[in-house]
Amino acid sequence: DVKVTQSSRYLVKRTGEKVFLECVQDMDHENMFWYRQDPGLGLRLIYFSYDVKMKEKGDIPEGYSVSREKKERFSLILESASTNQTSMYLCASSFGSGGAQDTGELFFGEGSRLTVL
Amino acid sequence: GEDVEQSLFLSVREGDSSVINCTYTDSSSTYLYWYKQEPGAGLQLLTYIFSNMDMKQDQRLTVLLNKKDKHLSLRIADTQTGDSAIYFCAESPPYNTDKLIFGTGTRLQVFP
Repeated sequence: DVKVTQSSRYLVKRTGEKVFLECVQDMDHENMFWYRQDPGLGLRLIYFSYDVKMKEKGDIPEGYSVSREKKERFSLILESASTNQTSMYLCASSFGSGGAQDTGELFFGEGSRLTVL
Repeated sequence: GEDVEQSLFLSVREGDSSVINCTYTDSSSTYLYWYKQEPGAGLQLLTYIFSNMDMKQDQRLTVLLNKKDKHLSLRIADTQTGDSAIYFCAESPPYNTDKLIFGTGTRLQVFP
């Protein structure tokens, strides 16, 4: 089974702190994604990566950056956390490459709930 | 804009059928998905349908696709308390099949 692991389930940070959210997948997927989930807004894409060292902005990249130095790991960075970044953050991965097994299905981690005070 | 629309809440009695509706944005979307999110967990794929199909059935789940109206529905027969969750529909747009567009999610509450 595909496993997507997010390093922290719950974090509490103070305004202005730097925050790292780590995500690791074990299926050699090419694509990795970071979403945030807020009630009534669904999932909104922050950034995604389709290869090592490659990244593309999603719909709400402001205030975030990402790093993908290895294929299996995708990190989300909040340089200076703010209270409006309190949210649930979901990492996901997918096969990519448009191959036969690629139905576009996303495999999600369990989420990291971040509270910024 | 790109909005996949769902109603926010649905409440059903145990044993009844649930129907969750979704309106998506692009009639050329390749795949359409239903994901389930249980409390405190990430999303898991429930089922998906390829755009050249009208219906897909998988045990208690029936997916109906109306491409003309860009309408997708998920019917859960004999709904159980374990079906209580948030259900998200998502589409895979033709211009970037890797970037799914998600709806707002429908919270299904099943009461005895």
